[in-house]
Amino acid sequence: EAQVTQNPRYLITVTGKKLTVTCSQNMNHEYMSWYRQDPGLGLRQIYYSMNVEVTDKGDVPEGYKVSRKEKRNFPLILESPSPNQTSLYFCASSSQGGSNYGYTFGSGTRLTVV
Amino acid sequence: AQSVTQLGSHVSVSEGALVLLRCNYSSSVPPYLFWYVQYPNQGLQLLLKYTSAATLVKGINGFEAEFKKSETSFHLTKPSAHMSDAAEYFCAVTATGSARQLTFGSGTQLTVLP
Repeated sequence: EAQVTQNPRYLITVTGKKLTVTCSQNMNHEYMSWYRQDPGLGLRQIYYSMNVEVTDKGDVPEGYKVSRKEKRNFPLILESPSPNQTSLYFCASSSQGGSNYGYTFGSGTRLTVV
Repeated sequence: AQSVTQLGSHVSVSEGALVLLRCNYSSSVPPYLFWYVQYPNQGLQLLLKYTSAATLVKGINGFEAEFKKSETSFHLTKPSAHMSDAAEYFCAVTATGSARQLTFGSGTQLTVLP
């Protein structure tokens, strides 16, 4: 089954403790992206990647890091989480070519930073 | 730059009534437009997309949307609401050929009343 898999689904952590949220897709997609969803704000892009070793900042990159060492994986790293990073996070992937620019989304990771 | 405005953060309709969710976009280049649906505790699922072909786009679950360039609108409609349509709906825009820059609206929560 074609899918984007995120782990963990739920995470509670303390301020300053480094964490990684993993994302993997099995569709051989070039584009991958991380979004955070906050009430009343919709989804805001954190980082995106156009291919292996090619990443760029989205609209709200502060406090986050990403890497793209393999095509299928795109982990999101919070080096020193803070309470304002409490949010629902989504990973998504998309193929590059043709007219299909819809993203396939993972099921989300609900992060709470206390 | 591109942006999306969804009018009405909450919309309630009776079962069997017309569903109309409003979306206006701003884009300096011809846009690709999308509607996504999010059911509780799930990721986003693509409902339909406009990619410069037919201006009336049909999607899944009986939804459709019409691209109106003169009004910069892409409203989502369904002739007859069903209880299972209750969810949050997001309109999104990207510049032609740029899957990485997918910008979302703030979302509309649809409630279907029995």
